[in-house]
Amino acid sequence: EAGVAQSPRYKIIEKRQSVAFWCNPISGHATLYWYQQILGQGPKLLIQFQNNGVVDDSQLPKDRFSAERLKGVDSTLKIQPAKLEDSAVYLCASSLVRQTRTQYFGPGTRLLVL
Amino acid sequence: TQLLEQSPQFLSIQEGENLTVYCNSSSVFSSLQWYRQEPGEGPVLLVTVVTGGEVKKLKRLTFQFGDARKDSSLHITAAQPGDTGLYLCAGARDSGNTPLVFGKGTRLSVIA
Repeated sequence: EAGVAQSPRYKIIEKRQSVAFWCNPISGHATLYWYQQILGQGPKLLIQFQNNGVVDDSQLPKDRFSAERLKGVDSTLKIQPAKLEDSAVYLCASSLVRQTRTQYFGPGTRLLVL
Repeated sequence: TQLLEQSPQFLSIQEGENLTVYCNSSSVFSSLQWYRQEPGEGPVLLVTVVTGGEVKKLKRLTFQFGDARKDSSLHITAAQPGDTGLYLCAGARDSGNTPLVFGKGTRLSVIA
């Protein structure tokens, strides 16, 4: 079974630029999560989708971050404009609807904002 | 506010030694999970504990959930270099869809 796919794996941008990350969850997983993991910290949930609807986005900085999952499968996370403190690993995870405590993580996208 | 405190933050041991890492909170969790994360990879779920006092074993790893469901420990027997990684605990406040809360992790290095 293929795991959660993310791209790109690495991205370096300058502050105030825009960046987008892509995630393809495990087939059949209706629930998708985006986490931000700053160096030395544990993952922090940014947004949770069930199919194409948002379940929780309370910790998403909505002035600069946006995410969508239009067809209920792939998802994109965008930062516009980026700040230095956005440097982190952005992890995507997915789970079955009835097993939201069993999340499968992708390898992450490592973002460096200069 | 960090709801889950993990200790120690860093641990470097020789191959064959035993170790215990801790995950503590003042809050009660309906379940608690342990993950291992290797460099350049996402966290991988090791175990979920749901009952106070529960003990689960996974080969050389022993996980325990505190009786009051506020804390947990992970004990590794005869550590091997392959155990090297970041060990994260994550708690669920209820059995619904509320987000998992992650600790900062314990970074373990096992030296051959």
